[in-house]
Amino acid sequence: EAQVTQNPRYLITVTGKKLTVTCSQNMNHEYMSWYRQDPGLGLRQIYYSMNVEVTDKGDVPEGYKVSRKEKRNFPLILESPSPNQTSLYFCASSFSGAAFDTQYFGPGTRLTVL
Amino acid sequence: GESVGLHLPTLSVQEGDNSIINCAYSNSASDYFIWYKQESGKGPQFIIDIRSNMDKRQGQRVTVLLNKTVKHLSLQIAATQPGDSAVYFCAENMGTSYDKVIFGPGTSLSVIP
Repeated sequence: EAQVTQNPRYLITVTGKKLTVTCSQNMNHEYMSWYRQDPGLGLRQIYYSMNVEVTDKGDVPEGYKVSRKEKRNFPLILESPSPNQTSLYFCASSFSGAAFDTQYFGPGTRLTVL
Repeated sequence: GESVGLHLPTLSVQEGDNSIINCAYSNSASDYFIWYKQESGKGPQFIIDIRSNMDKRQGQRVTVLLNKTVKHLSLQIAATQPGDSAVYFCAENMGTSYDKVIFGPGTSLSVIP
């Protein structure tokens, strides 16, 4: 089944404790992206990647890191999480860039930083 | 388009009626628009898209209309069903020189059985 998977689905952590949210897609998509969703603010892009070893900042990249060492994986890293990073996170992928092609979204990761 | 608000617009419709969800986009250079549906506890799911060289596109029970003159996008759902209850987002690509899309704040659709 074609899908985007994220792990973990739920995570509660404390301020400053490094964490990684994994994202994997099995559709051989070139483009992958991370979004956060907050009440009343819709979806805001954190980082995106056009291809392996190519990543770029989105609208809200502060406090986040990403890597794209393999085509199928695009982990989101929070080196030192803070409470304002409490949010619902979505990974997405598409064949070509988001500007040209619809994105397929993962099920989401709900992160709480205490 | 890009807008920030504290309150999610809501729309309540009777089962079987048609629904119209509206979206104003911000960038006249945007040339690709997408509607997504997000059910509670799930990620956004593609519904229908339209490119700027069209003003109407139809899918199964859904129609998207694009009015570039006033930068307005609408999603029409025919014979609305309880399973259509969700939050609907429009997204625009801000022009092909930018490799990202901007999502609107969303509209919550509630279907009354």
